Amino acid sequence: ETGVTQSPTHLIKTRGQQVTLRCSSQSGHNTVSWYQQALGQGPQFIFQYYREEENGRGNFPPRFSGLQFPNYSSELNVNALELDDSALYLCASSSTGRGATNEKLFFGSGTQLSVL
Amino acid sequence: GIQVEQSPPDLILQEGANSTLRCNFSDSVNNLQWFHQNPWGQLINLFYIPSGTKQNGRLSATTVATERYSLLYISSSQTTDSGVYFCAVGLYSGGGADGLTFGKGTHLIIQP
Repeated sequence: ETGVTQSPTHLIKTRGQQVTLRCSSQSGHNTVSWYQQALGQGPQFIFQYYREEENGRGNFPPRFSGLQFPNYSSELNVNALELDDSALYLCASSSTGRGATNEKLFFGSGTQLSVL
Repeated sequence: GIQVEQSPPDLILQEGANSTLRCNFSDSVNNLQWFHQNPWGQLINLFYIPSGTKQNGRLSATTVATERYSLLYISSSQTTDSGVYFCAVGLYSGGGADGLTFGKGTHLIIQP
């Protein structure tokens, strides 16, 4: 059973640029969610994808968008990067497939994004 | 939204000691999970425990949903237990997903 994998592990961008982060869910999982973790804080929910559609979103602006593919992998896209977007971005997958919140989450190691 | 408070924020112990980490939450939940974040940033799922008691080796957890708190017990601590422990909660009401709300974590340091 393969775990959740994310790429790249580290990324440096400048303000105003766009970035794409990638996630492969754990084998057998068809629901993917993304979280942002600022330094010294707990992760914050960005959005969740189930059956290739966004089915839940946290308090993040529209410049944060995503995709889920038929093989359940996912992308997080952030446009017009701001300095405050510097954070660890975590992807999590879960298995029951209903996109519910009452599911056990398995996280990847994250992508550390630095915006200069 | 749901508020999650974890205590203590920091904890320094000697190897072999026992510890209790607490998580209080402000509203009813049907999802509560404990995670350990290692120094490389990886979040490891320790327990899915919306209610009741579970044990896994030296770790155990208890959630009293009616009183809105959960406890994580670590016995016979090892240096590899160091890291940040997060409690995360959620309430699924049948609609779209709201994600989990995380506390700020307990930073645990186990000294040899």
